[in-house]
This record gives sequence, structure tokens and C-alpha cells, in this order.
Amino acid sequence: GAGVSQTPSNKVTEKGKYVELRCDPISGHTALYWYRQSLGQGPEFLIYFQGTGAADDSGLPNDRFFAVRPEGSVSTLKIQRTERGDSAVYLCASSLNGVGYEQYFGPGTRLTVT
Amino acid sequence: SQQGEEDPQALSIQEGENATMNCSYKTSINNLQWYRQNSGRGLVHLILIRSNEREKHSGRLRVTLDTSKKSSSLLITASRAADTASYFCATVGQAGANSKLTFGKGITLSVRP
Repeated sequence: GAGVSQTPSNKVTEKGKYVELRCDPISGHTALYWYRQSLGQGPEFLIYFQGTGAADDSGLPNDRFFAVRPEGSVSTLKIQRTERGDSAVYLCASSLNGVGYEQYFGPGTRLTVT
Repeated sequence: SQQGEEDPQALSIQEGENATMNCSYKTSINNLQWYRQNSGRGLVHLILIRSNEREKHSGRLRVTLDTSKKSSSLLITASRAADTASYFCATVGQAGANSKLTFGKGITLSVRP
């Protein structure tokens, strides 16, 4: 079956611009996660959805970052007024039902802010 | 913040040898998972071990968990050049139903043909 997909695979934007990153989870997975990975580091948690609601958004670095999952499947991570420090690989993952289940990761979106 | 710390940070072995990677963590966990990452992109789930389990096997992989020492190890037997990758341990905390993963910095494994 299809895995987690993310679009675009690469995004180059200028400082100050707005970007949207999209994640299509595995069909039927109720839990969806966003992580951010900088070079040489492990992924860092950003936000977690259970269904349509954000169960934990404690990892969002500031109010320029926002994510939605309006119908409980596709999710969009939105970054306003991008800064060079936002450059990273943004990873999305989904799992069948949260705690106790493995997470399946997408290929990531490499965001470069110039 | 990163919860897990893997050890060593880098490991280079000959094809056919076994590779052992260790992970330590700080807070109580519901489960611990190991992932592999090639070329800095998507992570592949390898194995999940729950806090009430001590050992799990999957093919050439063996994972142990010692909750009293807050540590886990991943053993890859009879390594292959294709095992060359970064390996991460990640934990799910015990509190409530929050299933977010907290990752370590990873171990770079190089398997020489």
C-alpha cells in the first residue's frame, strides 16, 4: 500500500516569505506527527494530531509555525515570515492509533530559506 | 530537546561482523523504537520494544531494553554494506496518551565491503 507522502520534496524560499508543506498519511492512520531535522541531529518533535485536533503542539518553536488537519487525514504545516534558521528537513509521520504503535515516516521536505 | 543518547556516535566495521549500538534515555518510557535513515531523508522503522519487554528479535536485528538502567541496545548480526546508514533510538514517554517520539542524535554506521 502507499506510504506517507510529502510535497514538495524540496522548497527554496526567500527570507520573510510564507510556505506550506503538505503531508498525506497512510490511509486509516488516526495519528499524524510533524518533526524537524537539522543536519547532523535527530528529528525534533513539532506537533502531533489525533484525528483532526492537535493533541500536542508543544514543539512548535514560535507563533510563526502553525499546522492543520481539517478532515483528519491530510495535514499542512504553515510557516509565516520564514527565517534562515527555519532551514531543515521537515518530516511527517503517521501511526495507526498513537501510543504503542510504530510511526511511518515520509521522505521529508527539505526547506531552504535564503 | 533530545532524550536519547546513542553510543558510539560513529561505528565502522567490516562486512560480516556484528554491530552493536547503545542508547540511553532519561525519563520513564512507554516504549522505545529504533529507526534507520539513509541519506538524511525518510526514516525506516526497525523495531519497537515495550517497557515490559526485555528483548525482541527481527531478522538480523536484536534489541534489548533495560528499564532499570534506562538503556537499550541494537545488535545487527552478519552486517552487510547495505546496512550503512544512520541509526536512531527514539522513546515514547509514559505519561498519558501522548505518542510523540523523542530522538537521540543518532549513530553513523559504516559497513566496509
